[in-house]
This record gives sequence, C-alpha cells and structure tokens, in this order.
Amino acid sequence: SQTIHQWPATLVQPVGSPLSLECTVEGTSNPNLYWYRQAAGRGLQLLFYSVGIGQISSEVPQNLSASRPQDRQFILSSKKLLLSDSGFYLCAWSGDREPYEQYFGPGTRLTVT
Amino acid sequence: GQNIDQPTEMTATEGAIVQINCTYQTSGFNGLFWYQQHAGEAPTFLSYNVLDGLEEKGRFSSFLSRSKGYSYLLLKELQMKDSASYLCAVINSNYQLIWGAGTKLIIKP
Repeated sequence: SQTIHQWPATLVQPVGSPLSLECTVEGTSNPNLYWYRQAAGRGLQLLFYSVGIGQISSEVPQNLSASRPQDRQFILSSKKLLLSDSGFYLCAWSGDREPYEQYFGPGTRLTVT
Repeated sequence: GQNIDQPTEMTATEGAIVQINCTYQTSGFNGLFWYQQHAGEAPTFLSYNVLDGLEEKGRFSSFLSRSKGYSYLLLKELQMKDSASYLCAVINSNYQLIWGAGTKLIIKP
C-alpha cells in the first residue's frame, strides 16, 4: 500500500530564517506530487505541483520554491521566511490515471515568529 | 473565474441526517471529490463522482448533477466523530483540482 511521509510535524521559525520541508511517498512510482498551504479556518491553497523529477509548476508567486530531486521526494524551501508564511503545509500525491484523487501526508504546522 | 461554494458551517444532532451542498463553476468538469478533514489533521478522501447520480458508501453518500453544477454529501446516523470540515473539490478540463473552502460540521449530542 502507498504511504506518504512529511516532516517535521511542527516547526517554529523566526522571520528571515530559511525553511526546508520534506515529503516522501512509498509504494508507488511516478506519482504526481503537490504542496498546499492552509491558513487557519481556510481552504487549501495549491503552491506547487510536479508530474515528474525536476518538473515543478508554481501556482502562486511568492518567496517559496519547490524541488523534486527524486521520483518520490518533494521538498518545499524558502531562503527567508515571512510572517505570512505561517500555516499548515500539506504534501499530497496522486496517480497518473483518472480519477486523480489526492492523498495527503500528515502535514507540517509552521509558525513564523 | 472558477469557484466552488459551500456553506461555511452547519450544526446537526447525533443520530440525525445532514446534507452538505456544493455548487461549482469551473472551466470544464472531470469529476468531483469530497474530503473529510478533522481539526489539525490532513484531509482524507471520502468519495468521487463523475457521472450524475448517487454514490453510496456506508453512512456517507454523494450526489452529482452536472447540468446544475451541484453536488451534495449526505451523512446518515451522525456520530460525534463526524464533527469535521468537509471539502468539495472539482477537477476541471485542465485536470486542475479546484478546492472549496470547506464546511465545518458541528455535531451536538
């Protein structure tokens, strides 16, 4: 069966510090991968998605970036965090066939202070 | 633009039935999903509809009318553990997943 891992679970970082969140998927190959952010009490905002190694599409211009160095690894980064980067970050994967339902990792709760 | 509308919050009683509505306006349609999200946790997949009609899965059912741009999630025999947010999402013609803001369901004893 497929599983998706995300770490860390919680993170408190000062403004201006760097960020690296990692997501890995097991039990499937060539998944579509996604990074979302969810502000408190709000819906999901798609940040990045990837259909293959080195292929990243950005949905929202901001100070975040993503990379996919391996087939089942997806990394979200920032060089300098802003207060507005606080939120619940979720990684998800989907297969490359319909219906493309997405399965989410446990999430990382980031607080920028 | 593309948008999905859901009520922000609903309240229901344990043991009762509740219907959560979702209307959508998207560039094309390739399917609709319902997800459940407990507070502080990740969303989990509940159902998928691509054809008109009702899909039943235990206590949960999901209905779709493509001509009306409308879906609902029906929860029967409500339990306290059903207190969560319910997210509606639509895949458009570009296979992008468009998310609603979610409906927070509060179950009272």
